[in-house]
Amino acid sequence: DAKTTQPNSMESNEEEPVHLPCNHSTISGTDYIHWYRQLPSQGPEYVIHGLTSNVNNRMASLAIAEDRKSSTLILHRATLRDAAVYYCILRTNDMRFGAGTRLTVKP
Amino acid sequence: SAVISQKPSRDICQRGTSLTIQCQVDSQVTMMFWYRQQPGQSLTLIATANQGSEATYESGFVIDKFPISRPNLTFSTLTVSNMSPEDSSIYLCSVESGTFSYNEQFFGPGTRLTVL
Repeated sequence: DAKTTQPNSMESNEEEPVHLPCNHSTISGTDYIHWYRQLPSQGPEYVIHGLTSNVNNRMASLAIAEDRKSSTLILHRATLRDAAVYYCILRTNDMRFGAGTRLTVKP
Repeated sequence: SAVISQKPSRDICQRGTSLTIQCQVDSQVTMMFWYRQQPGQSLTLIATANQGSEATYESGFVIDKFPISRPNLTFSTLTVSNMSPEDSSIYLCSVESGTFSYNEQFFGPGTRLTVL
């Protein structure tokens, strides 16, 4: 399975943008890039996904490199509620989680 | 979207006993997944359960230890058998909104298991 690499942790100030990077140099042409986040004491929740083009939804934006070997999840204005572990996942048939990035948001 | 409930939400069990975790979905789904999340760790896929067929287990997980039932399109159970303290984890079920790799998954709240 193709692997992803994310920083262990990141910090952000409230109401500032956050850019969460993910490297996936062994991505295959059919892998979709998914992002999930896990708030404390909850199951993971879907954030966004994409294949080749940048994507926007109400929660975040996903910027995908032209060679697809990396991507960045963008939270436009971090809130305290965005403090979570963010997982970047390459999807084939099933979904396998890496270690993720623990995002801390400071007031 | 799908709303998933799990029972029990938490339990404390004795070594050598078994616990069955239930996962109920508010809509019919083809694929259901069971994950384990050990303390402070990420999620690890245990098995995939499709209705009408045997569950498919990931490397390191066996049916005798984690038997799974999938009697219909809205329900599944995972049993943790002959438990030891190393089985203390959060167990989560999830469902997929469709059958393609771009479909999102929805997760239940998890069952927190402590084995003494």
